[in-house]
Amino acid sequence: AQSVSQHNHHVILSEAASLELGCNYSYGGTVNLFWYVQYPGQHLQLLLKYFSGDPLVKGIKGFEAEFIKSKFSFNLRKPSVQWSDTAEYFCAVTPFTGGFKTIFGAGTRLFVKA
Amino acid sequence: GAVVSQHPSWVICKSGTSVKIECRSLDFQATTMFWYRQFPKQSLMLMATSNEGSKATYEQGVEKDKFLINHASLTLSTLTVTSAHPEDSSFYICATTEGNGNEKLFFGSGTQLSVL
Repeated sequence: AQSVSQHNHHVILSEAASLELGCNYSYGGTVNLFWYVQYPGQHLQLLLKYFSGDPLVKGIKGFEAEFIKSKFSFNLRKPSVQWSDTAEYFCAVTPFTGGFKTIFGAGTRLFVKA
Repeated sequence: GAVVSQHPSWVICKSGTSVKIECRSLDFQATTMFWYRQFPKQSLMLMATSNEGSKATYEQGVEKDKFLINHASLTLSTLTVTSAHPEDSSFYICATTEGNGNEKLFFGSGTQLSVL
């Protein structure tokens, strides 16, 4: 079955530390890739997406993610986190078959210490 | 971006009762609505996909008679948990897209259901 795996459930960082959240998926066909973020008390919202083209995509608030097709990975990075980045981050994959059903990872809770 | 309003945000009910959750698209027409549920520390699991004016498509293992989905208009989709049991306690969230489904999702705020 198709799945999305996020490597860490909880991450605690100090401000200015670098962040990398791992995401791997198991699907061999064409996919759209997403990272969503949920800040405390807010809806899930899109952080960035990859559809095609340059595998290094940039999103809001200084986040970026790199699609490595050979590794089925789409890791999220930020060079220097801020306290306001405290949130839960979800990796998601939408395969191009099967009715465009988006599959989510379990999420990673990031806590940034001021 | 598109706004999806989901109500209620939290509901507590007795075992055996039914609970209805509503999702409304406020500024666009939602042809397709996805319903997810999330258990603590687990992924959002797709339960069903509803299309306006037609029957919902349920994922494997989801009981269609228990989780009734109605998508009668382009702005409203409802999920009714019938004869709720404690194991139905979960976080339910709706999501939709502006396009044909392969684009980004716009989420409701979610409903935390607790069945006593």
